[in-house]
Amino acid sequence: SQKIEQNSEALNIQEGKTATLTCNYTNYSPAYLQWYRQDPGRGPVFLLLIRENEKEKRKERLKVTFDTTLKQSLFHITASQPADSATYLCALAVGSNYQLIWGAGTKLIIKP
Amino acid sequence: DADVTQTPRNRITKTGKRIMLECSQTKGHDRMYWYRQDPGLGLQLIYYSFDVKDINKGEISDGYSVSRQAQAKFSLSLESAIPNQTALYFCATSDYTSGTDTQYFGPGTRLTVL
Repeated sequence: SQKIEQNSEALNIQEGKTATLTCNYTNYSPAYLQWYRQDPGRGPVFLLLIRENEKEKRKERLKVTFDTTLKQSLFHITASQPADSATYLCALAVGSNYQLIWGAGTKLIIKP
Repeated sequence: DADVTQTPRNRITKTGKRIMLECSQTKGHDRMYWYRQDPGLGLQLIYYSFDVKDINKGEISDGYSVSRQAQAKFSLSLESAIPNQTALYFCATSDYTSGTDTQYFGPGTRLTVL
């Protein structure tokens, strides 16, 4: 069966450390993968996109890796801050219309 | 002003009632989507529309219907609401011509069916 897995348990990280979130998938061949941030009671907000032929993407303190052999993406936040606390969603673009398939998200808590 | 707006933001209704959720966008995007989100679950696609004349069912369309009144407007209807449709509903848009399907979300509608 096809599925996307993100850490279901909240991830607690000390301020200033690097937070690493995981997105694993099975039986998909995504053209690209996106990461979104969602704050409580709000809609997701796009952060980064990485294509199937890219290994790594960076944006300020954010870094995403994509390993199509392992079927895994890692999302890193360096020098984490309490304001980074949120739920982070990964989404795979699949099919001819690049429909997005969503993971359930990982809740990240950055402690001061 | 927000690019993607949803009305109402909160709604409490009773089983069997007809409900309409509305979405408007000023981004000029062709594609629009309706999702529902339940605690602990990912976003589930209800319906999507690639343009005014192209409407498609998503993975959980049963019990829902949609109308794309214009490029900027996409409404979701629950013909006869039931309690397990209690959820957070999001509208989203995307611009496929940009080369990706990056989606832009509205603020959500929290629907409670008693």
